[in-house]
Formats: sequence, structure tokens, C-alpha cells
Amino acid sequence: KQEVTQIPAALSVPEGENLVLNCSFTDSAIYNLQWFRQDPGKGLTSLLLIQSSQREQTSGRLNASLDKSSGRSTLYIAASQPGDSATYLCAATSNDYKLSFGAGTTVTVRA
Amino acid sequence: DGGITQSPKYLFRKEGQNVTLSCEQNLNHDAMYWYRQDPGQGLRLIYYSQIVNDFQKGDIAEGYSVSREKKESFPLTVTSAQKNPTAFYLCASSIERQGIYNEQFFGPGTRLTVL
Repeated sequence: KQEVTQIPAALSVPEGENLVLNCSFTDSAIYNLQWFRQDPGKGLTSLLLIQSSQREQTSGRLNASLDKSSGRSTLYIAASQPGDSATYLCAATSNDYKLSFGAGTTVTVRA
Repeated sequence: DGGITQSPKYLFRKEGQNVTLSCEQNLNHDAMYWYRQDPGQGLRLIYYSQIVNDFQKGDIAEGYSVSREKKESFPLTVTSAQKNPTAFYLCASSIERQGIYNEQFFGPGTRLTVL
């Protein structure tokens, strides 16, 4: 069974600092890995999706890397802003197309 | 404006009552999903549907039921058999479940509270 872990559970940084969010998964046989953002009481917004054949994906200030062999993905957010404050979740898609979610990292960017 | 809508935003249920959560999408997606989110935990899959008139149980289907009579709609009923239904419920859809177009897009959620 795929287990997805996100450490730390919470993170607080000053504005302008780069954010590094970690996601680890136990079964390296994944189809893809997806990063989401969730604001309090809201649904999930898809940020980036990395296919298993890719090493990274970029969108604006966001960059996500994938290392299947070590079971890790990292989301980098450059030059953080207070508007980046949210919970970030990763989800690994197994080869049976089932998504397994981490519990998320809650980020606070202090102005 | 394409997207996924869920209603109601907040729902209160009395003990022994069945309630139905609505999920509608106008993205022309074939696959739809229901997840449950509890504090400090990842999302858990309740049911999914790959095509109209077909659906499959997820990891925690007990006490829940669904229907998929239309491509756009995938309502979830929380029955009285679900012993701990208080949670945040999220509906999602994707172009397809299998294959490269399986990126999931989520609705705004329904918060269900048992009184």
C-alpha cells in the first residue's frame, strides 16, 4: 500500500524567503505525482503534475522535482509572499491510477 | 466558466438521517470522484466513477452510496450506517481515470457536521 508523508506538518517563513516542501512515498512505482494548494475551508487547486518519466515541472515561481528511485518529490516556491500562505498537499498516482495523498504542509508567510 | 460545483457548502445531519451531497461538473470529464478529508489526514477515496452508470468503491465506501445517471452529476449519499460522518467532503473530476489525462480537479467542498 502506498504511503505518502509530508514533513514538516507546518512551516513559517518571512516574506521573500524561498520555500522548500518535501513529499516522500514508499512505493516508487508511481504513474505521476501531483502537488495541490488548499486554502482554509476550500477545495484543492492543482499546482503541478509531474509524469513518472519527468524529473521536474515549472510554473512561474513554482518548481517541483521528482526522484522516483528515492521516493521523493520537492516543491520549491521562490521569493515567498503572504499570498502563498496555505496548505500544500502532494498525491502520488499508483500504476492502478489510484491517488494516495499526504496530510499536507501548512505554510505561513510572515509579512 | 468551466468548473466543479458542490452544494451545499455546509450541511448538518441529525443522528439516523440520510443526507445527499451534490457534485456537478461542466468540464465534460468522464471520471468523477468523492473524497473525505479529516483534520491532519490525507484525503481518502470513497467512490469513483469512470463512466455514466458505472461506479466503484474506494477505500472507505462503507456507509456511503453514489449514483452516476448523468455525465455531469455524481451525488453522494451519507447514510445512517456511516458512524462518523463529520468531515469535509471533496468531489473531483478528470478527463479520464486511466491514462495521461488523469489529472484531477476539485470542487470547493461540503462540510458535514453531525448534530
